[in-house]
Amino acid sequence: DGGITQSPKYLFRKEGQNVTLSCEQNLNHDAMYWYRQDPGQGLRLIYYSQIVNDFQKGDIAEGYSVSREKKESFPLTVTSAQKNPTAFYLCASTAQGKGYNEQFFGPGTRLTVL
Amino acid sequence: AQRVTQPEKLLSVFKGAPVELKCNYSYSGSPELFWYVQYSRQRLQLLLRHISRESIKGFTADLNKGETSFHLKKPFAQEEDSAMYYCALSGAGNQFYFGTGTSLTVIP
Repeated sequence: DGGITQSPKYLFRKEGQNVTLSCEQNLNHDAMYWYRQDPGQGLRLIYYSQIVNDFQKGDIAEGYSVSREKKESFPLTVTSAQKNPTAFYLCASTAQGKGYNEQFFGPGTRLTVL
Repeated sequence: AQRVTQPEKLLSVFKGAPVELKCNYSYSGSPELFWYVQYSRQRLQLLLRHISRESIKGFTADLNKGETSFHLKKPFAQEEDSAMYYCALSGAGNQFYFGTGTSLTVIP
């Protein structure tokens, strides 16, 4: 069950702390994404990256930061500025080019702020 | 603005009955439309995409550009179809937009 891995599966953090969620893929995909999944709200895009060392904000980027130093890795940092960070976070990747737009998803990380 | 609307949060049907999950979209261009499914304790995964015009697990979806819809249909629902279904749109720049999802329950 390779493809995209996310760690940890469950994460607990105290208020005021930053925390970093890991996302790694071995699919040689160029584009990677971070979504937040909340009940009744579907998937909302946080950040995405189409190439190494470049990324764009999604709809709800405030309070989050990312980096893309390697093609395989796209870590997400949830900062203390994020007002409501408790959620389920999904990472995805896709190959570039028309006709290859299928997104592959990781298993997700459930973050709980105590 | 790009938007995907799934009007039903919850949908219950009896086993063997037809099922239709609705999806409407707004996009100024030529989007690609997808249906993703999330079974209990499994990853979100692609079910089908409009450009393939294929049937997967008995499900089909036709893109209706006039009505800007991409409804998912299956003539005879099975218990194993119970899952969360998301309609999604891909536009320029490889950005994806997801609907809020429909939770389908097939009653035995």
